[in-house]
Amino acid sequence: QKEVEQNSGPLSVPEGAIASLNCTYSDRVSQSFFWYRQYSGKSPELIMSIYSNGDKEDGRFTAQLNKASQYVSLLIRDSQPSDSATYLCAGGHTGGFKTIFGAGTRLFVKA
Amino acid sequence: DTAVSQTPKYLVTQMGNDKSIKCEQNLGHDTMYWYKQDSKKFLKIMFSYNNKELIINETVPNRFSPKSPDKAHLNLHINSLELGDSAVYFCASSQDGTGWVTIYFGEGSWLTVV
Repeated sequence: QKEVEQNSGPLSVPEGAIASLNCTYSDRVSQSFFWYRQYSGKSPELIMSIYSNGDKEDGRFTAQLNKASQYVSLLIRDSQPSDSATYLCAGGHTGGFKTIFGAGTRLFVKA
Repeated sequence: DTAVSQTPKYLVTQMGNDKSIKCEQNLGHDTMYWYKQDSKKFLKIMFSYNNKELIINETVPNRFSPKSPDKAHLNLHINSLELGDSAVYFCASSQDGTGWVTIYFGEGSWLTVV
């Protein structure tokens, strides 16, 4: 099993819809989880971090963490064409010292 | 002010050449990284330095040699470049080296080996 797994997509949603991005992780990842957004030709930038079970909301973004199921998700409400990007799920390695990234999910928001 | 800056942004070179990428961060972070992102967008850690000390070396060929003269700088030298080295190389930094904190990325260096 990969340490952090994501569906590569592409995920296509209409403007104004909710985009749901999912991520699972192995026992080698724990403690902290992150969602980064990467526009084409640009570097990844942090959208949200989550450390505890449950939901964390920031504007149109909600991160959800379920440690029992080893599952992290990102919901984007009222999706906009400007949200079209690759979303990278990441987690802290259990042994420390490094953050492990998933392969990313490409999101397209159609106007 | 750019938080993590790396140069050059684009690099086209022939197989067998040696090249370097430089990186500097002005965030006061203790830890710096080199990540490689291949054509499939997979972002993989190569090296991690904490206060100038190497803490992660992810089975990277020894043609790749990082060097950290101080905790604000981390350079990457690549010897005998191969076609498979073509990728985007991201320098990054974080407050500490736990792997459990936010990572701040530079703009990337697009390396093409021909």
